[in-house]
Amino acid sequence: EVQVVESGGDLIKPGGSLRLSCAVSGLTFSDAWMSWVRQAPGKGLEWVGRVKDRRSGATDYAEFVKGRFTISRDESKNTVHLQMDSLKTEDTGVYYCTHESSVCGGECFDFWGQGTLVTVSS
Amino acid sequence: EIVLTQSPGTLSLSPGESATLSCRASQSVSGSYLAWYQQKPGQAPRLLIYGASSRATGIPDRFSGGGSGTDFTLTISRLEPEDFAVYYCQQYGSSPRTFGQGTKVEIK
Repeated sequence: EVQVVESGGDLIKPGGSLRLSCAVSGLTFSDAWMSWVRQAPGKGLEWVGRVKDRRSGATDYAEFVKGRFTISRDESKNTVHLQMDSLKTEDTGVYYCTHESSVCGGECFDFWGQGTLVTVSS
Repeated sequence: EIVLTQSPGTLSLSPGESATLSCRASQSVSGSYLAWYQQKPGQAPRLLIYGASSRATGIPDRFSGGGSGTDFTLTISRLEPEDFAVYYCQQYGSSPRTFGQGTKVEIK
């Protein structure tokens, strides 16, 4: 059974930094492309960024987080991290870690974590 | 970026009825690379449909997707109590991947 478990959400002041973690099990992590998707309170879904498999390790990001957020992977712990710097109040929301499905060529999301809440407020 | 507009915003139906949800793209979605997700309160989204019309693993056949180009639909035949939720479409034919704003299917 595939499991995706996020952690690290917290209340943080504007301009601050936070690191989210996502532990993955039940699949071949080295082959996994992983994305972060967020959801502001009462709003819809928004793709944040992704990291491709171990061989590539390439990342790409939504424009609104470029230069502020960084995604990395730790193969020894089957974990993906989302480092968030220069946080803004509009970054508030639930952050989901998701697995990109091979049936969609890696562009849709078949396994999701339960989400972790990030609140940016003074 | 491609903007997806879902309609209606809310659909009020009774169990046993059918639901038809619309997702319209601001430009053509290449390869019919469109997915649908279901989200219940306090839960993560669940993948229902990919490639506009293919059901994901374990999804009941009362869920069906269709369409191409700029117009896509999700049909839920014979609504079950567990189907009342919010549904999102997502395109993955162009970067960045984008989602619609959602359609809520509520019990009438």
